[in-house]
Amino acid sequence: AQSVTQPDIHITVSEGASLELRCNYSYGATPYLFWYVQSPGQGLQLLLKYFSGDTLVQGIKGFEAEFKRSQSSFNLRKPSVHWSDAAEYFCAVDLNSGGYQKVTFGTGTKLQVIP
Amino acid sequence: GAGVSQSPSNKVTEKGKDVELRCDPISGHTALYWYRQSLGQGLEFLIYFQGNSAPDKSGLPSDRFSAERTGGSVSTLTIQRTQQEDSAVYLCASSAGQKLFFGSGTQLSVL
Repeated sequence: AQSVTQPDIHITVSEGASLELRCNYSYGATPYLFWYVQSPGQGLQLLLKYFSGDTLVQGIKGFEAEFKRSQSSFNLRKPSVHWSDAAEYFCAVDLNSGGYQKVTFGTGTKLQVIP
Repeated sequence: GAGVSQSPSNKVTEKGKDVELRCDPISGHTALYWYRQSLGQGLEFLIYFQGNSAPDKSGLPSDRFSAERTGGSVSTLTIQRTQQEDSAVYLCASSAGQKLFFGSGTQLSVL
């Protein structure tokens, strides 16, 4: 069975500092990979996705993520965090063989940004 | 509509009562998902509809939970004989590809 793990439940960073949120998946093949963000009082929004090709993908709001097959990881990064980035971030995988989609989410990482 | 619409936005019920949660997906989206979000539990997959195929019900936590999707559009999630542990935010999402569009959710509180 596929699963996705976000080992950090809560992370605190200073505004302007760099950020890396970890995500690991367990699946034999390379699934489709996503990062979603849930801001306070708002719905979930797609930040970026990886299907194939270039392993470094750019997303909205200055985020990027790198797929590393050897580590089964898809970590989310941002060079300089803004206070408005405080939110909960979810990594997700999609079993894509045969056209079947079942998007499974990790447990999320809450990001706190301090001045 | 422009986005995924869920109703009600908040529902307070008494233990043992049945509740129905509604999801109106984006027009034309063939896939529809229900998730449950509880504190510290992340997003828990409940059920998935794709076109006219049989739904994937593998995430439903018990037989008190059921869902249907009429005419390939609106979906209703029904929880019978609600329990306090059913209290959570129930999120609906639809998609026409790999990108999910989420509704704002229904906050269910079982007293």
